[in-house]
Amino acid sequence: DGGITQSPKYLFRKEGQNVTLSCEQNLNHDAMYWYRQDPGQGLRLIYYSQIVNDFQKGDIAEGYSVSREKKESFPLTVTSAQKNPTAFYLCASSTFGTGVTGELFFGEGSRLTVL
Amino acid sequence: GDSVTQMEGPVTLSEEAFLTINCTYTATGYPSLFWYVQYPGEGLQLLLKATKADDKGSNKGFEATYRKETTSFHLEKGSVQVSDSAVYFCALRNTGGFKTIFGAGTRLFVKA
Repeated sequence: DGGITQSPKYLFRKEGQNVTLSCEQNLNHDAMYWYRQDPGQGLRLIYYSQIVNDFQKGDIAEGYSVSREKKESFPLTVTSAQKNPTAFYLCASSTFGTGVTGELFFGEGSRLTVL
Repeated sequence: GDSVTQMEGPVTLSEEAFLTINCTYTATGYPSLFWYVQYPGEGLQLLLKATKADDKGSNKGFEATYRKETTSFHLEKGSVQVSDSAVYFCALRNTGGFKTIFGAGTRLFVKA
C-alpha cells in the first residue's frame, strides 16, 4: 500500500542534542512538508520541498533543518537551537500543479519530548 | 494573506445528534477547500474536499458545501457516532499552489 512512513513514533531528547525525524513516501509525490502541532493547536508549517535538492522555509523554520536528496525522503533535524522542541511532528506529501487540488497525505506523526 | 477560521471547541454531542462545525475562509484566487480529521495519536487524513463554488464534498456521512458568496465551508453530519470523536480541521489551498492553510481545529466528543 502506498503511504507515508514516519519514524520513530516516540523520541526523547536531552537538552542540547540534535535529533533527526525520518519521513519516507512511496506515493511518487513531488512535494513534501513538515508541520509542527502543539496541544490544542493547529498545524504550523516548518519546511516544504517541491523537488529534489530544493526546499523552502515555512512559518517556523528557526531551529530546524531539512534535506531532500531523494524524491521519497524528507528528513527533519531538530537542532539544539530550537528553544521549545517538545511537540508532535507531522510529515505530509502531495502532488501539485495546474488543475491539481493537492490534498495532503500525512504520516502517523512523531512525538518528540525534551527531557 | 489567506486564512481559515473555524469554530472553537470542544464540541460535545450525544450519539445520533446533528453536527455542524462552522468554517469560513479568506483567500485570493479560487482555492480548493478541505476537511481533514485527526483521531487521537494519529496523523491527519482527508475527510472530504470541494474544488469550486457550489460543489458538495461528502464522505462517511459528512458533508460540506463550498459557498463562495459567504466564503464558508461548514461541516455537517446528520447523526454522529462515538467513533466520530476526533479533531476536525478546515483547510484551503489555492489550485496549483504549494501551501495548505489550516484552521485551528475543532475537537468533537460524542457521548454514548
